[in-house]
Amino acid sequence: NAGVTQTPKFQVLKTGQSMTLQCAQDMNHNSMYWYRQDPGMGLRLIYYSASEGTTDKGEVPNGYNVSRLNKREFSLRLESAAPSQTSVYFCASSEVLARDTGELFFGEGSRLTVL
Amino acid sequence: EDQVTQSPEALRLQEGESSSLNCSYTVSGLRGLFWYRQDPGKGPEFLFTLYSAGEEKEKERLKATLTKKESFLHITAPKPEDSATYLCAYKLTFGKGITLSVRP
Repeated sequence: NAGVTQTPKFQVLKTGQSMTLQCAQDMNHNSMYWYRQDPGMGLRLIYYSASEGTTDKGEVPNGYNVSRLNKREFSLRLESAAPSQTSVYFCASSEVLARDTGELFFGEGSRLTVL
Repeated sequence: EDQVTQSPEALRLQEGESSSLNCSYTVSGLRGLFWYRQDPGKGPEFLFTLYSAGEEKEKERLKATLTKKESFLHITAPKPEDSATYLCAYKLTFGKGITLSVRP
């Protein structure tokens, strides 16, 4: 079972470059999320999509955009990368919106370094 | 604003030495307190959900309990393979995690 798949797993960017992190889930979940994880800061929510066709900002949305392409896929785009966006990014999904008690299923993470 | 605080930040135990990890929360109407385990280089993996004060759930050497203000993850006779970071979460907000190291 693949679960939640993220690509790429590793990426190095130069300041100002753009890139898109891809996420796909095969569990027929309605809700999807993007988190970033930094040492000492824990997991912080960037954006989430409660259902296909909707997206909402989380705690740290600045510098990011998202697209819920269909029920399976949720992408995160950095338009002009900055060193402060060096982090490990996790995509997650849930059957119902986690705000309403749904447990999250996470991908393996994408490790991004911005030079 | 919902807040989730975990303590201590790190905990080192000897194999077989039982202990507890704490998660305190300040939320408006509890609708589920979650515990996750995260191994190095991996995404978090769901362990438990607790919905009401007094509720307890167990899995192998782990037992999660819930009061009106705190949740505890009790680890009984831990083994080195229990070494990981343990996260608690409420709705979409995660605590910073507790890194547990168990020495053989």
